[in-house]
Amino acid sequence: QKEVEQNSGPLSVPEGAIASLNCTYSDRGSQSFFWYRQYSGKSPELIMFIYSNGDKEDGRFTAQLNKASQYVSLLIRDSQPSDSATYLCAVSIQGAQKLVFGQGTRLTINP
Amino acid sequence: GAVVSQHPSWVICKSGTSVKIECRSLDFQATTMFWYRQFPKQSLMLMATSNEGSKATYEQGVEKDKFLINHASLTLSTLTVTSAHPEDSSFYICSMPPRGYTFGSGTRLTVV
Repeated sequence: QKEVEQNSGPLSVPEGAIASLNCTYSDRGSQSFFWYRQYSGKSPELIMFIYSNGDKEDGRFTAQLNKASQYVSLLIRDSQPSDSATYLCAVSIQGAQKLVFGQGTRLTINP
Repeated sequence: GAVVSQHPSWVICKSGTSVKIECRSLDFQATTMFWYRQFPKQSLMLMATSNEGSKATYEQGVEKDKFLINHASLTLSTLTVTSAHPEDSSFYICSMPPRGYTFGSGTRLTVV
């Protein structure tokens, strides 16, 4: 079982709709959870991180964490074509600063 | 957020030669930097952890004699790919915790 799992997609969402990206992790000791966006040929850019159970909102983005079920999700409201990218979920384990990445979900927003 | 500068952004080299990639922290003193590798259509895989003033820590399966890491100062870490081969062609990215786990811009290495 992979440590961090994401549906590789592609996920296709119409413009203006909500895009929902999911990620599950295997290590219950995981403490910090990150969502990155990566455009083709570019380095990942941090969208947001979450530590506590529940929701965290930042503009059009909402991260949701459920440690009991070991999943973290990212919602993108009012999706724009510029949101088309690969979204990477990453997890850090207690006592370690390094991140373990999921395989990424390719998201396409259709105008 | 923290700014991490990585150079070069792309490099093409001949098989058997060595390539050095630099990662600089522009506004933060980093005692630790992470080096990742990303093959096409795959996710990031951690290669090694660079520690200022001490030896790097390599992940399982990564050849430490092939991928030389030097963290000479609190603002500079370098990765040297020695005797590069076509299978080393990849996207190499450095990362600097804990300031938002910012990534450098990445280096596209092509070995021909």
